[in-house]
Amino acid sequence: SQKIEQNSEALNIQEGKTATLTCNYTNYSPAYLQWYRQDPGRGPVFLLLIRENEKEKRKERLKVTFDTTLKQSLFHITASQPADSATYLCALDEDTGFQKLVFGTGTRLLVSP
Amino acid sequence: EPEVTQTPSHQVTQMGQEVILRCVPISNHLYFYWYRQILGQKVEFLVSFYNNEISEKSEIFDDQFSVERPDGSNFTLKIRSTKLEDSAMYFCASTKGGAYNSPLHFGNGTRLTVT
Repeated sequence: SQKIEQNSEALNIQEGKTATLTCNYTNYSPAYLQWYRQDPGRGPVFLLLIRENEKEKRKERLKVTFDTTLKQSLFHITASQPADSATYLCALDEDTGFQKLVFGTGTRLLVSP
Repeated sequence: EPEVTQTPSHQVTQMGQEVILRCVPISNHLYFYWYRQILGQKVEFLVSFYNNEISEKSEIFDDQFSVERPDGSNFTLKIRSTKLEDSAMYFCASTKGGAYNSPLHFGNGTRLTVT
């Protein structure tokens, strides 16, 4: 069966450290993968998108990698800040032409001062 | 920055009643979506809408659900006869294009509670 898995346990790190979140998938052939941030009671906010033929993408303190052989994406936040505390969702699309995204359950990140 | 707005923020209804959830997408966007998130669960795709018709829908989006763009600005989701299991956060989203390079812009959702 098709699955997208993110670590369901919260990730606790200290301010200034690098947070690394994992997204694994099975039985999908995604054309691209996206990462979103979700704060409690709010809608997801787009962060980064990486295509199947890209290995790495960066935006400011954020970095995403995509390994289609391992069927895994890693999401890194460097120099983390308490304001980065949120739930981070990965989502993939098999490129139907519309944004019919399949989301993971998300990983909650807590950054302590 | 333009944003997607949804009303109401919270809707309580009795089982069997009809509800309409409203959304105003970003003004120059052409593709519209509804997603939902049951408490503690994943965000799930319901339906996509383009050029005044449904382009794709999920298995969740059965005959009880319908979408409409009644004028140039609003996009609505109607649930005809609500069930307890329809209780969830419903998110509207929009994009300028349909391809991968047009990430979703989500609203902050309507929390639907069916009693």
